[in-house]
Amino acid sequence: DIAITQSPSSVAVSVGETVTLSCKSSQSLLYSENQKDYLGWYQQKPGQTPKPLIYWATNRHTGVPDRFTGSGSGTDFTLIISSVQAEDLADYYCEQYFVYPPTFGSGTKLEIK
Amino acid sequence: EVQLVESGGGLVQPGSPLKLSCAASGFTFSSNWLNWIRQAPGKGLEWVASINPDGSSTYYPDTVKGRFVVSKDNAKNTGYLQMNNLRSEDTAMYYCARSRYHNWFAYWGQGTLVTVSS
Repeated sequence: DIAITQSPSSVAVSVGETVTLSCKSSQSLLYSENQKDYLGWYQQKPGQTPKPLIYWATNRHTGVPDRFTGSGSGTDFTLIISSVQAEDLADYYCEQYFVYPPTFGSGTKLEIK
Repeated sequence: EVQLVESGGGLVQPGSPLKLSCAASGFTFSSNWLNWIRQAPGKGLEWVASINPDGSSTYYPDTVKGRFVVSKDNAKNTGYLQMNNLRSEDTAMYYCARSRYHNWFAYWGQGTLVTVSS
C-alpha cells in the first residue's frame, strides 16, 4: 500500500496569515500517460462530513475559494491556505487515488490563534 | 443537486451482521462508482469498499475483505454495504461517496454511525 504522511499534525495561525500543509507519498503519484498526479485534499470541519477541496493535486473543486491552492508533483505535495479565515478551522486530509487501496494521510489540524 | 443519504447504522454486538444503505439522487447513479469510507471516533479516514457502475466489480482493503460486501441496485438508485462478523474495531461513522477521476471522492453523504460493542 502507498503510505501518505502529512505534516505538521497540527498548526495554529492567526486570521489573515498564510499556512502551508505538507503531504508526502511513499511512491510517485504521477501517471506518465496523462501527466496527472493522483492526489486530492479534503477539509473536515468539527462535527461535519469531509468536504472535497482539490483533485489532480492542483484543481479546485466547484465552489472552493481561491485562497486554497494545491501544488506539488510526484511524491511531495502542499496545500496552501492564504489569508486564513476563522471558518477554515478544520482537519485537512490528503488522499492518493493512484492505486488500490486509496489511502489517506493522518490529517493536519488547523487551529486559529 | 447531488445527494447521498446513508441509513442502517446502530449498536450491534461483536460477530453480528449489519447492512447499510445509501440512497442517491441528483445524478445518474447507474453511471457512477459508489464507495464507502469510514472514520473511527477521533481518527482519520479509511476507505472500505468500491463498486463499479454496473456492479460487476468490487474492491476492498484487507481489513474488511471477506467480511464486507458492497452492492448497488441501479433501479432503486441505492447502494449497500453488508457487514458481517463485525468487530469492535469496525466502530466508526460510515460514509458513502460518489467518486470522480478514479477514486477521488467528490460527493459525500452525511454518514451513519456503527457501534460494535457487547
